[in-house]
Amino acid sequence: GDSVTQMEGPVTLSEEAFLTINCTYTATGYPSLFWYVQYPGEGLQLLLKATKADDKGSNKGFEATYRKETTSFHLEKGSVQVSDSAVYFCALSGPTGGYQKVTFGTGTKLQVIP
Amino acid sequence: GAGVSQSPSNKVTEKGKDVELRCDPISGHTALYWYRQSLGQGLEFLIYFQGNSAPDKSGLPSDRFSAERTGGSVSTLTIQRTQQEDSAVYLCASSTLGQGYGYTFGSGTRLTVV
Repeated sequence: GDSVTQMEGPVTLSEEAFLTINCTYTATGYPSLFWYVQYPGEGLQLLLKATKADDKGSNKGFEATYRKETTSFHLEKGSVQVSDSAVYFCALSGPTGGYQKVTFGTGTKLQVIP
Repeated sequence: GAGVSQSPSNKVTEKGKDVELRCDPISGHTALYWYRQSLGQGLEFLIYFQGNSAPDKSGLPSDRFSAERTGGSVSTLTIQRTQQEDSAVYLCASSTLGQGYGYTFGSGTRLTVV
């Protein structure tokens, strides 16, 4: 079945450091790919998405590129802020489930220190 | 409504009691999903609704768990004879059907079984 693997955390960075959170997936066909974020004490929010190969999703300075050849969707940000501290979830919806069911990774906790 | 609303936000119950968790999705969203997030775990899919029917209920952990949706809107997740391992945050999400549409999540119900 469909699955998502993302790097384990926690990831601790200093403010203004470069961020990469790795995510790879297994799915048949061409899934849609997502990054969700959960800030402390809040619900999950959609951060960005990409629906076809080579698409780049971007939002709030975060970017991720849909790489079909490496089945990856790594999350990057050039300069993190303390306010980016949160748990980040990579996710996909694939044709197996008619694109109706989203499969999530286990989440990566990011802590940004001043 | 403007967002996905879940109630109660917190529920403490005694082992063996039944509980009902409610989800009110965004108006017009035809798809509704229930997930469970246990401490230190990722998101575990439980069930999803398309309209009032549930094409995929494969994630329900046992026959103590059931869910229904009426009028293509509000959904109720019922857990009978609660056990301590049922303690988790239960998340509801809704979406428009179609590839690439992300979920909008509610804030969740934190269930504690004592």
